[in-house]
Amino acid sequence: EVQLVESGGNLVQPGGSLRLSCVVSGFNFNNYVMNWVRQAPGKGLEWVSAISGSGGSIYYADSVRGRFTISRDNSKNTLYLQMNSLRADDTAVYYCAKGGIAVAPRGFDPWGQGTLVTVSS
Amino acid sequence: QSALTQPASVSGSPGQSITISCTKTSSDVTGYNYVSWYQQHPGKAPKLIIYDVSNRPSGVSNRFSGSKSGNTASLTISGLQADDEADYYCSSDTGSSTLCVFGIGTKVTVL
Repeated sequence: EVQLVESGGNLVQPGGSLRLSCVVSGFNFNNYVMNWVRQAPGKGLEWVSAISGSGGSIYYADSVRGRFTISRDNSKNTLYLQMNSLRADDTAVYYCAKGGIAVAPRGFDPWGQGTLVTVSS
Repeated sequence: QSALTQPASVSGSPGQSITISCTKTSSDVTGYNYVSWYQQHPGKAPKLIIYDVSNRPSGVSNRFSGSKSGNTASLTISGLQADDEADYYCSSDTGSSTLCVFGIGTKVTVL
């Protein structure tokens, strides 16, 4: 069974940093693109970032480029999102989601349960 | 404002069919080749129900179907059931380095 489990969400002050993790199991992690998608309270989904299976190709939404860094450790089956210079509008549930073998976003399946990041003083 | 426009809400009675549209409204989105649809119940993670415009993942009911014509993709739910009451999001490739965009979401209410 494919499983994705996020962790690392917390309350952080504006300007602070946080690192999210997503541990996966049930598939060959290093073959697949992985994504982070977030959802602000009561709002819709927003794609945040993606990383190819090898880690050699990385993509960001304009809203986080320069502040967030996606990475992966294929030896640990773990995806990361380092978030710096956090702002109030970064407050959201952050989901990791499995992509396909190629970078093109042809459907994210499955998703983790999400981890809540709250940016507030 | 999303580059993909969806109606805020759609409703129908049990057994009826409803259709949710997803229209590419921004010229910044030069892709729109790989349209996906997700169902999200309150407090739950999204679930993929359609990929590549019209394909259903294994285990997804055939009551869900997808199509696309020009700049508008559509999700049709036939034989509406109470459990179909949820939020539905479309997504698409952008053809740029931002890779992916989601629609604003549509709340489906079963009357």
